[in-house]
Amino acid sequence: DAKTTQPPSMDCAEGRAANLPCNHSTISGNEYVYWYRQIHSQGPQYIIHGLKNNETNEMASLIITEDRKSSTLILPHATLRDTAVYYCIVRVFYHSGAGSYQLTFGKGTKLSVIP
Amino acid sequence: ETGVTQSPTHLIKTRGQQVTLRCSSQSGHNTVSWYQQALGQGPQFIFQYYREEENGRGNFPPRFSGLQFPNYSSELNVNALELDDSALYLCASSGTSGRGYEQYFGPGTRLTVT
Repeated sequence: DAKTTQPPSMDCAEGRAANLPCNHSTISGNEYVYWYRQIHSQGPQYIIHGLKNNETNEMASLIITEDRKSSTLILPHATLRDTAVYYCIVRVFYHSGAGSYQLTFGKGTKLSVIP
Repeated sequence: ETGVTQSPTHLIKTRGQQVTLRCSSQSGHNTVSWYQQALGQGPQFIFQYYREEENGRGNFPPRFSGLQFPNYSSELNVNALELDDSALYLCASSGTSGRGYEQYFGPGTRLTVT
């Protein structure tokens, strides 16, 4: 599995953009970058994923560098409810065509949004 | 659309006992994965079921076993409980889509082994 490296913690002022970095220098060509977050004592929540192009949805934007060795998750206007642990994950396939994969979680980045 | 549900929410067992945790997958999803999350750690993959068969396993001993039923719900069974089995157990369901196969997690079952 490709490994990811994230800072253990970050602070962000409420209303400002939160930019969460992730390094994944050993990512292989067919591996996707996924972001999940986990609010205290809840199950992880899917945020966004991408292969090589930048992606945006209603929750966040994902910027992947051209060499795919790093990415940044952007929460454009952070709120107190965005305080959570954010996990950057590189996906591994077990079997092609089976629609299955394992998520390998690290320790993530604890984002604290400050009023 | 019904999300992923898990039962029970909390459970206390004694070392050496057996436990069964249950998961109902999100509507339309045919794959269920189980994860163990110890305090202060990220979730660790236990195994995955696809169309009622085990479809991948993490580094967990055989006393961790599972089942998936025709309606795609699933059970996680743990025999001979050890103190280190105390954790949050998470179930995630996923389907097949053009790209991504994103997993959707339930709220988890908090297991305490004494």
